[in-house]
Amino acid sequence: NAGVTQTPKFRVLKTGQSMTLLCAQDMNHEYMYWYRQDPGMGLRLIHYSVGEGTTAKGEVPDGYNVSRLKKQNFLLGLESAAPSQTSVYFCASSYWDRSLAKNIQYFGAGTRLSVL
Amino acid sequence: AQTVTQSQPEMSVQEAETVTLSCTYDTSENNYYLFWYKQPPSRQMILVIRQEAYKQQNATENRFSVNFQKAAKSFSLKISDSQLGDTAMYFCAFMTMDSNYQLIWGAGTKLIIKP
Repeated sequence: NAGVTQTPKFRVLKTGQSMTLLCAQDMNHEYMYWYRQDPGMGLRLIHYSVGEGTTAKGEVPDGYNVSRLKKQNFLLGLESAAPSQTSVYFCASSYWDRSLAKNIQYFGAGTRLSVL
Repeated sequence: AQTVTQSQPEMSVQEAETVTLSCTYDTSENNYYLFWYKQPPSRQMILVIRQEAYKQQNATENRFSVNFQKAAKSFSLKISDSQLGDTAMYFCAFMTMDSNYQLIWGAGTKLIIKP
């Protein structure tokens, strides 16, 4: 019953280092999303994907890149980490249920990233 | 631009009481969806309840119900018979079909249930 799995759960980086966050879903969902959550704010969309091989920018895409080479995986990359990217990152996946006319996002447990 | 506003940063009530969390949104769309998500200290985002804008009937899920006022663009969450396990951050979110199902989020309300 995995659902949406994010790795790693915690990470500390130094300014300028790079890293990749992995999101994997086993529900065959078409849509995948990367959000960041900062204190006192709602989640903000970084990038999203509407299907394998596609990506699009969200509200706060600067400093991040993404890839969706396989339908089940959505990678978020930080090429040169900055202290402003200290945040909790959430991945979500969803699909459009035509019969029920609904689309619900399912979330991973989050990754806490600190950039020193 | 579409926005979601939660005007109560923090609320606290006694166990077994009823509490209402407020949410207002702004959109020019006519077809959209509204959600309440719960985020306990474990950090996991959990869907509490959802409402389709085209439905006049308010959604209910056990102890959770909404008061959806489309004309006023208001979507409040009522928790009845509150339990200690309801302590969490609660987020209101908005989605349109035209936006590739992106969620627009409010800033959240921290709800504390006191024993």
